[in-house]
Parts: sequence; C-alpha cells; structure tokens
Amino acid sequence: EDKVVQSPLSLVVHEGDTVTLNCSYEVTNFRSLLWYKQEKKAPTFLFMLTSSGIEKKSGRLSSILDKKELFSILNITATQTGDSAIYLCAVVEYGNKLVFGAGTILRVKS
Amino acid sequence: DAGVIQSPRHEVTEMGQEVTLRCKPISGHNSLFWYRQTMMRGLELLIYFNNNVPIDDSGMPEDRFSAKMPNASFSTLKIQPSEPRDSAVYFCASSFSDRSGTQYFGPGTRLLVL
Repeated sequence: EDKVVQSPLSLVVHEGDTVTLNCSYEVTNFRSLLWYKQEKKAPTFLFMLTSSGIEKKSGRLSSILDKKELFSILNITATQTGDSAIYLCAVVEYGNKLVFGAGTILRVKS
Repeated sequence: DAGVIQSPRHEVTEMGQEVTLRCKPISGHNSLFWYRQTMMRGLELLIYFNNNVPIDDSGMPEDRFSAKMPNASFSTLKIQPSEPRDSAVYFCASSFSDRSGTQYFGPGTRLLVL
C-alpha cells in the first residue's frame, strides 16, 4: 500500500530557530513530491520536487529530495510566528493521484 | 486569476438530508480532485477526474457519496443521506496534467451534519 510518513508529528520552536521537517514515502509510480503549507484555510503550494539532490529555495524555506532513499526534507531558517502551520508532504503518482502524509504541526513561539 | 471556487463555504444540515457541494476548477486545468479532511484521518482523496472522466473513486466512503463532472468547469459532490460522521472540510483541487502534477486547492466547504 502506498504511504507517505511525515515526522515529527508536531514541533514547538522559538522565533529564530531553524527547523527540519521530514517526509519519507513508499509509492508504486512516483512522479513528483509536493510540499504544502496549511494554516486555517486550504493547503497552499510551496515546492515541487522531481529530481534528487536539487535544492529548491524560496526565502527562508528550502527543500530537497532523495529518490534513492525515498525521502525529502523541508527546512525553515530564522523561523517566525507566521510560519506556524501544518506542513503537508504529498507524493504525486502517475495519473496525478496525490498521496498525502498526515502533516507536521509547527508552532513558532515569540 | 480566479483560483478554485467552492460553494457553499459552510453548510449545516440535519442527518438524513441531501448535501451538494460544488466546485469550479481553475480554467484550463483538466484534472479535478475531491478531498475530505478531518482531525482523525487527515486529508483523504475521495475521487478524481481527468478530462471530466472519473479515474479513481476508490476513496469514496460508501454509496451515499457520488460525484459528477458534467463539463470542464463544474463538478459536484453529493451526499445522500448525510450522517454526522460526514462532518468534515471538503476540498476541491485542480491541476493541469503536466509533469509536475501540482494541485491547487479551493477554500473548502466546512460541513456539519447534526
């Protein structure tokens, strides 16, 4: 059965800390891996990763994929209270089906 | 550009009533997805369409749930009869069948069945 596992399930840090969120997967027909941020509304897209070893960056956020070891990490440096959210990892299979992980709940304290 | 549009945004109904959720995907997208999100089970894929054709409905919980996509710009998810355990946030998402498969989510419909 296809699955996506995220860790940790939840995390509390102080502003300015750096956090690393993990996502491992086992899927039959891997196409790409997506990271989403979900606050009180719908998930919003962060990154799409298809190739191993190529880091994607957007401001203080960055992500990388390892297709050999079947995992991805999402890094957030110099965290701010506005980074508090649920971070979702999802793997896209051929046919565009997404398999989501349970998410990591991040809380950044001021 | 308008994103994915869902209606209603909130729905409160009584057990046994029919509920219809609506979705308008992003123009030009040819894949549409219905998800359900609860605290207990997280995000679950219910059904998805490619070019208006249902591809995988294995996530639809039971026969009380049905979904249609009569054209490229409109889809419905119907629950009949509704039950309290159907209470959840229902998201619609759309994507273009390119290499990335990135999906863009609507704001969701928060459903409460009393």
